[in-house]
Amino acid sequence: QVQLVESGGGVVQPGRSLRLSCAASGSSFSSHGMHWVRQAPGKGLEWVAVISYDGSDYYYADSVKGRFTISRDNSKNTLSLQMNSLRSEDTAVYYCASQGYGSFYYLDYWGQGTLVTVSS
Amino acid sequence: DIQMTQSPSSLSASVGDRITITCRASQTIRASLNWYQQKPGKAPKLLIYATSSLQSGVPSRFSGSGSGTDSTLTITNLQPEDFATYYCQQSHAIPFTFGQGTRLEIK
Repeated sequence: QVQLVESGGGVVQPGRSLRLSCAASGSSFSSHGMHWVRQAPGKGLEWVAVISYDGSDYYYADSVKGRFTISRDNSKNTLSLQMNSLRSEDTAVYYCASQGYGSFYYLDYWGQGTLVTVSS
Repeated sequence: DIQMTQSPSSLSASVGDRITITCRASQTIRASLNWYQQKPGKAPKLLIYATSSLQSGVPSRFSGSGSGTDSTLTITNLQPEDFATYYCQQSHAIPFTFGQGTRLEIK
């Protein structure tokens, strides 16, 4: 079992930066790949980024590549998402999610989400 | 990117009904297909992974099947708590794209 709690959301002006955090507790955080998924108001789910269990590999959606950076600190059981050059279309609830074990990838535990609003 | 298309986009059903939601990928995804349930204001919940594996704790009235590019989520004996939005997701290739969602409503 993994418990995930996001923080860091808020209202930010276009072009500014924001850093989201996801605190993990329970099962071994350092053994799981971790993802960020977002959901714009009234819209569907959009995958944002993934980082490997040890932080050595990471990938991004094209919509955030070059602006967002995913990172993790396994000593602190924390996942982060640094968001720069924010745009109005980045407004969404951001969820962190852990990746299950095995031959297939899936998101088995999710946080409750943190709302990011990009507005002047 | 692999595009995921769900159908229908919305569905009305009654308690006790059996319903099916379909998800089609734009290319083969080799069984790397997951299903999530989301209720308003809540985080998504994993129901089915790898096309047909039931996540621990999920009732057996939920099942998944499929091959190649087409996958199906079936819910039998619908319960009041099942009325929600359902998303498929492919995890065969990055980006791990989601379908647009299917909203299941009470008739």
